[in-house]
Amino acid sequence: KQEVTQIPAALSVPEGENLVLNCSFTDSAIYNLQWFRQDPGKGLTSLLLIQSSQREQTSGRLNASLDKSSGRSTLYIAASQPGDSATYLCAVSSGYALNFGKGTSLLVTP
Amino acid sequence: DAGVIQSPRHEVTEMGQEVTLRCKPISGHDYLFWYRQTMMRGLELLIYFNNNVPIDDSGMPEDRFSAKMPNASFSTLKIQPSEPRDSAVYFCASSLTAYYNEQFFGPGTRLTVL
Repeated sequence: KQEVTQIPAALSVPEGENLVLNCSFTDSAIYNLQWFRQDPGKGLTSLLLIQSSQREQTSGRLNASLDKSSGRSTLYIAASQPGDSATYLCAVSSGYALNFGKGTSLLVTP
Repeated sequence: DAGVIQSPRHEVTEMGQEVTLRCKPISGHDYLFWYRQTMMRGLELLIYFNNNVPIDDSGMPEDRFSAKMPNASFSTLKIQPSEPRDSAVYFCASSLTAYYNEQFFGPGTRLTVL
């Protein structure tokens, strides 16, 4: 069974810092990896989707990388802002279903 | 498109009552997924449908849970009878295909069983 781990569980940074969130998975036979953002009491917003054949994807200040062979992905957030405060979830597709990590709770302080 | 729509957004009920959660997927998406999120277990897949047909319900915790998709634009998740341990946020998601496409999530239904 695919196990997805996210480190750290929580992170607090001052505004303007660049930061990296980590995701690791146990089975490298994946179709894709998705990063989501979840605000308190809200649903999941898809941030980036990386197909298994890709190494990275970028959207604005976000950059996600994928190293399938080592079972790792990182989400890089440049010039963090208080509005980036949320929980970030990594999800791996090994078939039809997504296997989720427990998330990293990010707080960006002004 | 309005995205995935779920109703109700919040549901509070008493133990033993029947609960029905509703979902409208994004038009044209062939796959529909029901997930449950709890603090202890995180997000877990309950069941998914392809072209309105249930394909895998191995994540459904007990026979008290059932799901239907009578047409391409509507699905229900029913719990009968409900128990306090069913309290969670239930998400519906849809995608064009199951393997390579993004899954888009609805806002979720927060269920509290007293």
